[in-house]
Amino acid sequence: AQKITQTQPGMFVQEKEAVTLDCTYDTSDPSYGLFWYKQPSSGEMIFLIYQGSYDQQNATEGRYSLNFQKARKSANLVISASQLGDSAMYFCAMREVNTGTASKLTFGTGTRLQVTL
Amino acid sequence: DTEVTQTPKHLVMGMTNKKSLKCEQHMGHRAMYWYKQKAKKPPELMFVYSYEKLSINESVPSRFSPECPNSSLLNLHLHALQPEDSALYLCASNRGIDTGELFFGEGSRLTVL
Repeated sequence: AQKITQTQPGMFVQEKEAVTLDCTYDTSDPSYGLFWYKQPSSGEMIFLIYQGSYDQQNATEGRYSLNFQKARKSANLVISASQLGDSAMYFCAMREVNTGTASKLTFGTGTRLQVTL
Repeated sequence: DTEVTQTPKHLVMGMTNKKSLKCEQHMGHRAMYWYKQKAKKPPELMFVYSYEKLSINESVPSRFSPECPNSSLLNLHLHALQPEDSALYLCASNRGIDTGELFFGEGSRLTVL
């Protein structure tokens, strides 16, 4: 069975600083995908970044990068140059092996990030 | 703006009512999902439709009845709900098997009285 662990219920970061949100996972599947989603107070889950288990390089998307350490089973999200609009709940998620086009995502408990002036 | 549209955004219903939540996407995705999210908790998968057929049912009570009339639409029919069913219901769709990235709607916030 898969398991996603986010140990930081809440984080504070000053505007323009970088912040790292932790995520560890456990799976027996050799093939898996790791995702980060942002959920603002509006409720929508916004996809941020993806890392495949066989990807050699860490994923990057603008100010977001994923620090993937496969041996340690960690997939931490790094947000550079934080902005006030980054204040939200952040979820790490893992995808089970695909069945056709259906992906089953399992989410961690989330980290609430607050960006301060 | 999200490309997955959910209606209504808010719904209040009694335990004897019958209501439906609707979800629509026009991205050509062939898999659609219903998630339930309680306050301060992560989303929990309820149902997955793949090519308009029910692919996954996470042992959801029968008072929740999903329907996929076509590849763009997904409904969740609600009947005889309990107050503990009050939650944010999120619809999502899948672009394909390359990344498995899900696109989510803004959700329908349901309150059962």
